[in-house]
Amino acid sequence: DAGVIQSPRHEVTEMGQEVTLRCKPISGHNSLFWYRQTMMRGLELLIYFNNNVPIDDSGMPEDRFSAKMPNASFSTLKIQPSEPRDSAVYFCASSQRRYGYTFGSGTRLTVV
Amino acid sequence: DQQVKQNSPSLSVQEGRISILNCDYTNSMFDYFLWYKKYPAEGPTFLISISSIKDKNEDGRFTVFLNKSAKHLSLHIVPSQPGDSAVYFCAASTNSGGSNYKLTFGKGTLLTVNP
Repeated sequence: DAGVIQSPRHEVTEMGQEVTLRCKPISGHNSLFWYRQTMMRGLELLIYFNNNVPIDDSGMPEDRFSAKMPNASFSTLKIQPSEPRDSAVYFCASSQRRYGYTFGSGTRLTVV
Repeated sequence: DQQVKQNSPSLSVQEGRISILNCDYTNSMFDYFLWYKKYPAEGPTFLISISSIKDKNEDGRFTVFLNKSAKHLSLHIVPSQPGDSAVYFCAASTNSGGSNYKLTFGKGTLLTVNP
């Protein structure tokens, strides 16, 4: 099992550009979570899906952020347009049960 | 509003001694608590958990204590080893029904174990 796979590992982009982060969850896990880590706020939940359906997106900071899960093996988090304050590490996690979160290695996003 | 609080951003201990990491929560609906460990450039990994029906759970060198009346939990590492140096996140969830639950995390505590 390759675990949760995120791409890219690092992304540097200019302000105003569109950024797409990708996640492949562990096969068989029916929940997927997007988290953002910053020094100020720690790990904050942006959105999560159950069986490919968005359940709670209350953590999505603004309309500039959107997430999709077109099938059980793929999810994207898109920021359009990106801003310097979006710079953070974005983690994807998947779960099959309540205490079975597995995190990916994260995408470090830098918006200049 | 931080529902899970880790008030110590960092902690430094000597190898072989005990490390105690603390966590407070405000939401009385939380009934399951977890600790995650994170190394640089890696995602957090699950370490140990405890249900609200217990007040202690032990796994090798790691013990988690839960004080529901004080809304406080702590992670004890005995003895501490240099390889334990990492960021430790406290997390909590509520029993809102269904088979999967979102986790609310604290900001983390950086533990440094000195040889």
